[in-house]
Amino acid sequence: RKEVEQDPGPFNVPEGATVAFNCTYSNSASQSFFWYRQDCRKEPKLLMSVYSSGNEDGRFTAQLNRASQYISLLIRDSKLSDSATYLCVVIANSGGYQKVTFGIGTKLQVIP
Amino acid sequence: DTAVSQTPKYLVTQMGNDKSIKCEQNLGHDTMYWYKQDSKKFLKIMFSYNNKELIINETVPNRFSPKSPDKAHLNLHINSLELGDSAVYFCASSQESGLADNEQFFGPGTRLTVL
Repeated sequence: RKEVEQDPGPFNVPEGATVAFNCTYSNSASQSFFWYRQDCRKEPKLLMSVYSSGNEDGRFTAQLNRASQYISLLIRDSKLSDSATYLCVVIANSGGYQKVTFGIGTKLQVIP
Repeated sequence: DTAVSQTPKYLVTQMGNDKSIKCEQNLGHDTMYWYKQDSKKFLKIMFSYNNKELIINETVPNRFSPKSPDKAHLNLHINSLELGDSAVYFCASSQESGLADNEQFFGPGTRLTVL
């Protein structure tokens, strides 16, 4: 099983739709979780951190389910500008250092 | 006021050559990373340095050698380039003051093409 798994998509959704992505992780000792966004031919950029209590930033909501070992990202009222690849990132302490693992990313295409 | 910069942005070279990619961050971060993003878009960590000391060395051929002259710079030297080395290489940095603060700031990437 991969350390971090995501459905690569693509998810094609109409403008205004609500879309959700999940990301599962295998290391139960993982401690920090993030969603990054990567536009085509650009570098990844932090979208939001994911906390146990869940967190919301405008149209974006991130949730963490430690029992089932997954994180989710919900995008409401999708905009054309949301089209990008969304990367799940999991950080675990491993041998005294922080091991950073990226998922393969889920591609979102918002259609007019 | 670029936070993480890489040079060159594009690198086209022949098999067997030796090349270097430079990375600099002006964020005062303690930790820097090199990632490889292959044609399938999978972003995989290669190395991590904390205060000039190597702390992560994933399964990477020893043709790849990172060098950190100071904590603001982490250069990547690649010997005897192979076709499979073609990819986008991203440098990143983070301030590991605590796990919750561990946002990584990425450079713009270096697109390496080996012919």
